Amino acid sequence: KQEVTQIPAALSVPEGENLVLNCSFTDSAIYNLQWFRQDPGKGLTSLLLIQSSQREQTSGRLNASLDKSSGRSTLYIAASQPGDSATYLCAPSGGYSTLTFGKGTMLLVSP
Amino acid sequence: NAGVTQTPKFQVLKTGQSMTLQCAQDMNHEYMSWYRQDPGMGLRLIHYSVGAGITDQGEVPNGYNVSRSTTEDFPLRLLSAAPSQTSVYFCASSYSRANYGYTFGSGTRLTVV
Repeated sequence: KQEVTQIPAALSVPEGENLVLNCSFTDSAIYNLQWFRQDPGKGLTSLLLIQSSQREQTSGRLNASLDKSSGRSTLYIAASQPGDSATYLCAPSGGYSTLTFGKGTMLLVSP
Repeated sequence: NAGVTQTPKFQVLKTGQSMTLQCAQDMNHEYMSWYRQDPGMGLRLIHYSVGAGITDQGEVPNGYNVSRSTTEDFPLRLLSAAPSQTSVYFCASSYSRANYGYTFGSGTRLTVV
């Protein structure tokens, strides 16, 4: 059974800092890995998708890396802004592309 | 292009009542899934479908039924609601290709009293 751990559970930083969110998973037999953002009381918004054959993926100030063999992914947020405040979820996909979620990292960026 | 549409957004049920949570997608996605999100537990897979007529159980299927008669719709049925089913329910869909990610609906917040 796939298990996903996200560290840290919560993070509070001043605006402008560069951040690293960590995700580890126990089963390396994945098809891809998605990073999502969830605002309070809202649904999930997909941020980045990394294929199992890729090492990293970038979108704007976000960069996600994947080390499939060691079961790790990292989400890097450059020059954080208050609008980045949200919970970030990591989800590797396994059989039939079903997702297994970590409990998330709750990020607060203060002005 | 509406994406993944879930109805209702909010629902209060009495213990023992039944109801159906609706999910529809207009992207011709083969894969559809239902998740529940509980505080401190993260999102957990209830049921999933890889195409019309094909469904399977996820991590927490007890108390829920699904069917997939069309590509577009994947309803989740609560047979006899229990307080333990109080949760936020999310429906998601994706193409079957591995290089495609999931799109999520906005969720249904269900309270069972």
